[in-house]
Amino acid sequence: AQKVTQAQTEISVVEKEDVTLDCVYETRDTTYYLFWYKQPPSGELVFLIRRNSFDEQNEISGRYSWNFQKSTSSFNFTITASQVVDSAVYFCALSGTGGGADGLTFGKGTHLIIQP
Amino acid sequence: DAGVIQSPRHEVTEMGQEVTLRCKPISGHDYLFWYRQTMMRGLELLIYFNNNVPIDDSGMPEDRFSAKMPNASFSTLKIQPSEPRDSAVYFCASRPRRPREQFFGPGTRLTVL
Repeated sequence: AQKVTQAQTEISVVEKEDVTLDCVYETRDTTYYLFWYKQPPSGELVFLIRRNSFDEQNEISGRYSWNFQKSTSSFNFTITASQVVDSAVYFCALSGTGGGADGLTFGKGTHLIIQP
Repeated sequence: DAGVIQSPRHEVTEMGQEVTLRCKPISGHDYLFWYRQTMMRGLELLIYFNNNVPIDDSGMPEDRFSAKMPNASFSTLKIQPSEPRDSAVYFCASRPRRPREQFFGPGTRLTVL
């Protein structure tokens, strides 16, 4: 069975601070995919990034960066110089490959509050 | 390109009534997924289709729930009869064969009184 754990239920920081959202996953699959989604107060789910299990290269996109470490089964998300518009619930998710494993297993989400 | 389209956006019904949620995936996407979001259980997969064929329906709560995908551009999720515990936001998502990220519709907020 697959499992995603986001231990931080809520994080509150002041604007311009850096913040890291933790994600730990469990899977028996050798090939799998990890994702981050953002859910702003309006309620939609916005795709942020996908990472394949065979590619541990970290990624940076503007103020966002992701650190994937298979050794610790973690896929953490860092926002640099946070802004009020970053306030949202962030979900980490995991999927397998075929055989009925294409659905996403989500963590419980981290509610990020950026205070002005 | 239009994103995933869901209707209705909001539905309020009374216990025992039949509810039908609708989804139009992004054109060209082979996979369609139905998820449910509640405060207690978070986001959970209900069922998904590949090329209109149901692949995994193990997340469907019980026989009151059914889903169909009669063609590549339309899917329905039906609850009959509805119960108050079915109140949730129901999301539809779709993705192509590659890459594997799913794109979500705006959701249907269902309230069963």
